[in-house]
Amino acid sequence: QVQLVESGGGVVQPGGSLRLSCAASGFTFSSYDMYWVRQAPGKGLEWVAFIRYDGSNKYHADSVRGRFTISRDNSKNTLYLQMNSLRADDTAVYYCAKGYGGNYQVFDYWGQGTLVTVSS
Amino acid sequence: EIVLTQSPATLSLSPGEGATLSCRASQSVSSYLAWYQQTPGQAPRLLIYDASNRATGIPARFSGGGSGTDFTLTISSLEPEDFAVYYCQQRSNWPLTFGGGTKVEIK
Repeated sequence: QVQLVESGGGVVQPGGSLRLSCAASGFTFSSYDMYWVRQAPGKGLEWVAFIRYDGSNKYHADSVRGRFTISRDNSKNTLYLQMNSLRADDTAVYYCAKGYGGNYQVFDYWGQGTLVTVSS
Repeated sequence: EIVLTQSPATLSLSPGEGATLSCRASQSVSSYLAWYQQTPGQAPRLLIYDASNRATGIPARFSGGGSGTDFTLTISSLEPEDFAVYYCQQRSNWPLTFGGGTKVEIK
């Protein structure tokens, strides 16, 4: 069965950096687009970043562009999110999500999330 | 950016009752709208994609409709596990955006 397991969250000071990882299993990782979606405490969902199945194309939300970078290693079945210049409003649970397939930008499987807290 | 507005913010219903949730887009998204369910402490779950297609394993009591700017998610008869927050999401344009959510709570 599909499994997505995020790691790398924690408490970081404003201006600091973190790298999130998402280990994927149960499907052919190299065939699917992948995403990061976040949810601030008590708030709704916000799409953060997208990467095409082969890494050839990436998009980032305006709120994180220039600070966050999505990447993947298909040989390790792992998705990453490098987060730099973190701010208090980046505090959220970060989910990795699998794309449905084809050209469908919907998320059919989600990890359980990893909490990032930006605080001094 | 396409803004999705969900209504009502909260729906108070009893098990066995039907529920109709609304999602309105600031511009046409054709049929490129999905619905997700999120229970407390859990990750979201895909229910419906492209307005009316149920995702794998989703019970038939969930149905979606609409096109253009106005969409609905209907739950025909609420089961205890259906009390949750529901989000819509459009994939018509980048950036991908979500609505603010509708909470379906037990009356």
